[in-house]
Amino acid sequence: DVLMTQTPVSLPVSLGGQVSISCRSSQSLVHSDGNTYLHWYLQKPGQSPQLLIYRVSNRFSGVPDRFSGSGSGTDFTLKISRVEPEDLGVYYCLQSTHFPWTFGGGTKLELK
Amino acid sequence: EVQLVESGGGLVQPGRSLKLSCAASGFTFSNYYMAWVRQAPKKGLEWVATISTSGSRTYYPDSVKGRFTISRDNAKSSLYLQMNSLKSEDTATYYCARQEEQLRTFDYWGQGVMVTVSS
Repeated sequence: DVLMTQTPVSLPVSLGGQVSISCRSSQSLVHSDGNTYLHWYLQKPGQSPQLLIYRVSNRFSGVPDRFSGSGSGTDFTLKISRVEPEDLGVYYCLQSTHFPWTFGGGTKLELK
Repeated sequence: EVQLVESGGGLVQPGRSLKLSCAASGFTFSNYYMAWVRQAPKKGLEWVATISTSGSRTYYPDSVKGRFTISRDNAKSSLYLQMNSLKSEDTATYYCARQEEQLRTFDYWGQGVMVTVSS
């Protein structure tokens, strides 16, 4: 199975600040169709996960442009600028290039 | 508005069975793959099962293969997860999720249903 490693595990932030979350895979996420299936989710406290970014860098419907994704191959990054209170929670990356689809362990974004 | 509402969770003894249901609305259910994803208490997310639009193809990770069965009823816009030979490690919140097949991702999730496997 593809191992997804997220760092850091915990990320203290000040409101209005900028943060980056890393997600690394144990093998390349480039699919045979040429696409890279790496996605980002946010799980707010007490809620189900919500899709933020799909296929590395595409924002899902309604997601503000404060969120941006980048990366290639095995190394990916989610950046959040001008952090707002509603951005707090646990962020997960998901790879769906290889079966079984696997999630990262999560990064908890919390206030300093 | 896409809505996914799970039901059927609860406390079950090890080795017993349980069937989860998910009622979908707000989209054409038969046009989408569907999936189940679970989250053990205070843990991360684990994909559990996927089913194709017609139900003819199903996919599972090794951790549940042979014990869990995903199915659907397009006429009722409903998704199911039959869980047999349950183990303590199956204790988790189970989420029903719509799977956008072109994007190969879960774009909408239900609120989840808790399953506790304990004697």
